[in-house]
Amino acid sequence: DQQVKQNSPSLSVQEGRISILNCDYTNSMFDYFLWYKKYPAEGPTFLISISSIKDKNEDGRFTVFLNKSAKHLSLHIVPSQPGDSAVYFCAASAGQGGSEKLVFGKGMKLTVNP
Amino acid sequence: DAGVTQSPTHLIKTRGQQVTLRCSPKSGHDTVSWYQQALGQGPQFIFQYYEEEERQRGNFPDRFSGHQFPNYSSELNVNALLLGDSALYLCASSNIGENQPQHFGDGTRLSIL
Repeated sequence: DQQVKQNSPSLSVQEGRISILNCDYTNSMFDYFLWYKKYPAEGPTFLISISSIKDKNEDGRFTVFLNKSAKHLSLHIVPSQPGDSAVYFCAASAGQGGSEKLVFGKGMKLTVNP
Repeated sequence: DAGVTQSPTHLIKTRGQQVTLRCSPKSGHDTVSWYQQALGQGPQFIFQYYEEEERQRGNFPDRFSGHQFPNYSSELNVNALLLGDSALYLCASSNIGENQPQHFGDGTRLSIL
């Protein structure tokens, strides 16, 4: 039973355009959501997070939107850059603490073409 | 400021053997979590250590065990290795009670022959 789903395995966009990565979850107890980026041969790197008390969080080129009623979140990257090419993981936890166990999606490979 | 460090980077074992993986948390962190990432999958939570005790555990058999030392570093032990244990093992560190993300190491790639 996959509680966090990233249904698209890959996305390809042109440099300068917007990248939209989607994530759905099924567990109503999840209240903290994160996006991690992973390059080959490296560990996941934290990108941005959002608490369930918010519906939007921005950090520079990255914005995460949370729709609790739809159990859906999305990551927007604007403008996309070639260096953004990586695998992106959506993760969720319950308990409003960053230390709580994370449940990850399968990941989505983003390719940004120059 | 050293981040999360894991050793070794790569390891090759045969079925039935035992393995120990090591992790040093980011400076200032007191909690260590271990994850298994199989090929094409997202990381799966194995367990978490805080104050030298197992605080949470995922759906992994007892062959997977761990330890945390007084300096907050941690070990993951896997006994009676199976072919299916081949994966990337990731360590993440954080501080209990803080709403800050977990920081990951680069992982140990374990191959079972």
